[in-house]
Amino acid sequence: DTAVSQTPKYLVTQMGNDKSIKCEQNLGHDTMYWYKQDSKKFLKIMFSYNNKELIINETVPNRFSPKSPDKAHLNLHINSLELGDSAVYFCASSQSSPLRNEQFFGPGTRLTVL
Amino acid sequence: GDSVTQMEGPVTLSEEAFLTINCTYTATGYPSLFWYVQYPGEGLQLLLKATKADDKGSNKGFEATYRKETTSFHLEKGSVQVSDSAVYFCALRTNQAGTALIFGKGTTLSVSS
Repeated sequence: DTAVSQTPKYLVTQMGNDKSIKCEQNLGHDTMYWYKQDSKKFLKIMFSYNNKELIINETVPNRFSPKSPDKAHLNLHINSLELGDSAVYFCASSQSSPLRNEQFFGPGTRLTVL
Repeated sequence: GDSVTQMEGPVTLSEEAFLTINCTYTATGYPSLFWYVQYPGEGLQLLLKATKADDKGSNKGFEATYRKETTSFHLEKGSVQVSDSAVYFCALRTNQAGTALIFGKGTTLSVSS
């Protein structure tokens, strides 16, 4: 059983297009995240949602818009894609309890913008 | 702000060698500390964690001890295998609800037989 799943795994698209990445978790967690991993493997938080409420919104272009329809899902929509958006995007989830705060990651979505 | 510093790689070892990957952190308060591993082409897997000073996290032969006095969380393994080849990330997280992980830059480990 997949704990945190993402679709698609690979996404190749042209500059200027709009695309979405979907994430689902079946762990019963109340918090979900989007991270971006660049070409040098550096990981940085983009957004987090706790019980469908936006908690973290890092300095990310407003072309990126997360949406959480329920606690088990967090989608990422990207408008007007640019070359610099090429990266691997990871979804993660966790409980908000300080004692059980480890985050579980999805397999990632490799986005390539041509 | 909070940050994590890892030793730069790549680290290249022969099978059965001893591994140490250094990690130090800067944080206000008392964060939880983690090591994640990323195998080629895969997502991140939690390797081990520690939530308070002097805690030792361990898993699959890997260990790390939360040292508050030196603000460190070094990863060690007594005898590495070829299958341990991966990128290892040290990370911290404060204990507030919804806070994100802050990662080090990752250390690539390559083990040859």
